[in-house]
Formats: sequence, structure tokens, C-alpha cells
Amino acid sequence: DTAVSQTPKYLVTQMGNDKSIKCEQNLGHDTMYWYKQDSKKFLKIMFSYNNKELIINETVPNRFSPKSPDKAHLNLHINSLELGDSAVYFCASSQDQQAFYGYTFGSGTRLTVV
Amino acid sequence: KNEVEQSPQNLTAQEGEFITINCSYSVGISALHWLQQHPGGGIVSLFMLSSGKKKHGRLIATINIQEKHSSLHITASHPRDSAVYICAVRANGNQFYFGTGTSLTVIP
Repeated sequence: DTAVSQTPKYLVTQMGNDKSIKCEQNLGHDTMYWYKQDSKKFLKIMFSYNNKELIINETVPNRFSPKSPDKAHLNLHINSLELGDSAVYFCASSQDQQAFYGYTFGSGTRLTVV
Repeated sequence: KNEVEQSPQNLTAQEGEFITINCSYSVGISALHWLQQHPGGGIVSLFMLSSGKKKHGRLIATINIQEKHSSLHITASHPRDSAVYICAVRANGNQFYFGTGTSLTVIP
């Protein structure tokens, strides 16, 4: 199946831990994104990579570090997790930066920090 | 004040009704996107607009660049259209801004 797949789907962890969320797309897209959706369902972009190059780096704590080993993968590593990091994190991809054909989203990772 | 404002916030319609969701933005943009988030949480990209109008099935999206306004219309609404519809813009400086979403419920 062609898709954007992210793992894990659910992640429950204690404050202070370090965790990673993985994202892979097999659509041949050049551009990938990480979004955060908070408890009020408000979406916000965090990062975007185009062909492994960081192109969007919004104001997020530097505890969040994206890594793109190749254009099909964009992983999100979070250090020293805090309660406020609890949210749903969506990975997405688009054919290119212009996203003329829109975005394909992963199914989301629900992160709960306790 | 959010750079992207959507109205209404919540909308309940009877099956078959014509629905309009509005999006106004305050920044110069290169593109506007309409997204649909299903009750289960999955997000689908509906339209990308930079000018004019696009149609896909029962969905029509329009944009007026001069007025900084876009509308999403749903004709012959159906309960399966129940979802949150999100307007998002890509500003000229490459920033992304999202509306807070319009929660649509279509009653059979």
C-alpha cells in the first residue's frame, strides 16, 4: 500500500524520558512534515524537510530534533519529555514544496506524557 | 488574533443540505489548503488553491485572493461528510498557519 506510515500509533511515557517517532513514505514524495495537534485540536507545523534538507523549522523547543536519513524518512526525536508535549503528532508528505496535489498524512501518533 | 479565521466553528445540518464553510486570512499567501479530519482522527487533504475554484465530487472550494477569503461548499451533504474541516495557508514567507477548524455534523 502506498502511504505515509508512522510508528508507534500510541506512546505513553514518563516525564524526562527520550522518545522517537518514526515516519516513512513510499509515495516518492520530496517533502515531508511534522505537525502537532494539541488537546484543543489545533494543528501546528513543526518541521519540514525537502530532499533531506530542513526547510521549515518553526518555534519549537530544541528538545525536538527531526532527522531525515533519506527523503522517504523523517523521524522525530524528543528529549526530556514534558507534560505539555502530550499531543497527537502527524507526519505528512507532499510531492514537492508547493504541495500542488496536497498532502498525504500519516494516521498520527498519540503521545501521552505522565 | 489568529492569522486564519474560520466560520462557523460548529455546524449541524440535515442530510441533503448545501453547506458552506468560510475561511479568512490576514497574510499574503502562496497557497491555501482545505483539510478534512475524520472523527477517528485521520486527516485528508481536500484541495490546494492558489486562485479560482476547484471541484471534486460534491465538494467545491473557491478562493478570492484580493479579499483574502476562501469557501468550502458541500452539496447534497451526507452523514459521512461529518468531520472537522481545517483551512490552512502557506504564507509568502513560507510559514504555515492553520484555522481552528469547523466541526460539521450531518444528521440523517
